[in-house]
Order: sequence, then structure tokens, then C-alpha cells
Amino acid sequence: GENVEQHPSTLSVQEGDSAVIKCTYSDSASNYFPWYKQELGKRPQLIIDIRSNVGEKKDQRIAVTLNKTAKHFSLHITETQPEDSAVYFCAASLPNFGNEKLTFGTGTRLTIIP
Amino acid sequence: SAVISQKPSRDICQRGTSLTIQCQVDSQVTMMFWYRQQPGQSLTLIATANQGSEATYESGFVIDKFPISRPNLTFSTLTVSNMSPEDSSIYLCSVNDRGSEAFFGQGTRLTVV
Repeated sequence: GENVEQHPSTLSVQEGDSAVIKCTYSDSASNYFPWYKQELGKRPQLIIDIRSNVGEKKDQRIAVTLNKTAKHFSLHITETQPEDSAVYFCAASLPNFGNEKLTFGTGTRLTIIP
Repeated sequence: SAVISQKPSRDICQRGTSLTIQCQVDSQVTMMFWYRQQPGQSLTLIATANQGSEATYESGFVIDKFPISRPNLTFSTLTVSNMSPEDSSIYLCSVNDRGSEAFFGQGTRLTVV
């Protein structure tokens, strides 16, 4: 089955700086790569996703890049703010007609230092 | 986006007992997913629940320990059976909406004593 690795496990950045989280996946057939943000005691929330037919996607301060050849994808957060502090999970899924099941990375605890 | 109601939100249970977690969705969905999130860890898929057929379990999870019901297209239950302290986790149900986007219930925080 699919295996997703995520690095780093913890990341601290100064407010206003950029943060980058990286993930690799094992199954070249995977075609959907979402990123979730989980604040303490809350449910995971989708913040951005990308499909395998696209190399990059951006939504305001958040961007995701995908390298299919190398089987890795990354989350980029620019101009970080204290409210960006949370645990971030990457995930990957194989195509299944809208019923994709997700394999999650191990998570990155991001701390923004004011 | 799908709205998912999950209950209970938390419970403290004695070892050897069972707890049933309910998940209600505000729209009909083909599949519902059950995840476990152990303290400080990532999410691990337990099983996929499809209406009208037996749930499909992931490696390491068995029906006797985690029986699942899916009586209709908006509802599912997960039972954690014969609990031990190692079952203390957050259990989350999830559905896909707008294609592949996964939405989660608020989770059930289970503590087994």
C-alpha cells in the first residue's frame, strides 16, 4: 500500500518568515495530495490540495508543489502569522472515483515565534 | 461542504467494555471512513464503510475489535470492543465531498481506564 513520509516533525519559524514542509510518497499511481491543518483539540481541516496533473497550486499565502518524477510534494507558507501555529499533515490517495481513502504523513508541528 | 456530527465527543470507559461511536452526515455519501489518531500521532485508517456491504478493514484492524454498521447513506457507527488502555485515542469519521476532499467529524476522544 501507499506510504507517506513527512519532514520535519517539528518546525519553528519567526513570524513573517516562510515555512516549508516536505512529503514523499511511495506509490506512483497516487494522484491526489491534500494538506490538512489540525489545531489543538480540533478536527483536521483541508487547507490546500493538488492533483497529479498540476505541478503547483497557490492560495494566498499557501502553496503546494508536486514533483511526480521524484514522488514528493511540499507545502509552502509565506509571511507566517501566529495563527499558522498548528500540526500539518500531508496525505496521498490513489484514484477511486471520488471515494479516495487517504494515507497520512506523520505530521509537522509548526510553531510561529512572535 | 458536508456537515458531520459525531458523538460522543469524549468518554471515559472501563477496560473490557465496549463503546459505540455514531457519525451522521447531512447528505448522502457512498463511503464513510473511520480513522484513529493516537495521542500526538497521525491519522490511521481503520476501515471504509459502504452501505449495504461489509466494511473493508485496513491491515492491523479486525471486525471483531472494531465492528462497523452502515444502515443507510447518511449514518455509520464504529464500536470499539473489549477495550484496553491501548485503545485510548481519538476516533474520527470522515466523508469525501466535492470529489476527493475529505471532511472530518469533530472526533471522539476515548480514554480507557
